Amino acid sequence: GAGVSQSPSNKVTEKGKDVELRCDPISGHTALYWYRQSLGQGLEFLIYFQGNSAPDKSGLPSDRFSAERTGGSVSTLTIQRTQQEDSAVYLCASSSGRQETQYFGPGTRLLVL
Amino acid sequence: EDKVVQSPLSLVVHEGDTVTLNCSYEVTNFRSLLWYKQEKKAPTFLFMLTSSGIEKKSGRLSSILDKKELFSILNITATQTGDSAVYLCARYGGSQGNLIFGKGTKLSVKP
Repeated sequence: GAGVSQSPSNKVTEKGKDVELRCDPISGHTALYWYRQSLGQGLEFLIYFQGNSAPDKSGLPSDRFSAERTGGSVSTLTIQRTQQEDSAVYLCASSSGRQETQYFGPGTRLLVL
Repeated sequence: EDKVVQSPLSLVVHEGDTVTLNCSYEVTNFRSLLWYKQEKKAPTFLFMLTSSGIEKKSGRLSSILDKKELFSILNITATQTGDSAVYLCARYGGSQGNLIFGKGTKLSVKP
C-alpha cells in the first residue's frame, strides 16, 4: 500500500506569512507524528496524535505552531507569522499504534526568507 | 537529561569495509530502540529492537541491543557506496508516544 505522503515537497515563504503543511498517513494507522529537522540537527518532536485522544503538543516550540488531524487521517501543521528560524525539514510519520514502528513521509523543506 | 547519543558523528570508509555505529541512551525503562537510514529527507526504517541480546539481521546490516549497558550497535559488513547516508538511532520513552532521536552518524563509503 501507499506510504506516508506529504505536501508540498518544498515551500519558500516570506517572514511573517502563515504556512500550512499537509500529511497523509498510511491507511489504517492510528498514530501520527510531526517532527522537524533543522540543518545539521537531529529530529525534534513537535506533536503526536493517537486515535481520538487529545494530541500531545508538548514538543511545539511556540504558540505560532498548531496542528489538526481531521477524521483521524489527514493532518495539517500550521505555522503562523513564520520566522527565519522556522526554516527546516518538517517530517510526518505514522504508526499502527502507540510505540510501534514509525514510517516517515518524504518531508516538506520550508525556507523562510 | 534524557538523551540519545550516537557515535561517531561521521565516518568515512572504503567499499568492502565493515563499520560499527554506536548508540547509547540514559534511561532504563523504555520499550524499544529503532534504527533508521536517512539518505535525503525521509528516514527509512531499518530495525526495531525490544529485547536485549537478540541480534536482528537484514542482509549486510545487523543490530543488537544491550539493555544492561544501555547501548545498541548497528553493523554494516562489506559496505557499498549505496550505504552512504545518515544513520539515526531513536528510542521510545516509558510513557511517551514520540521517538527521541540521536543526532545521527553520517557514513560516507568511498569507491
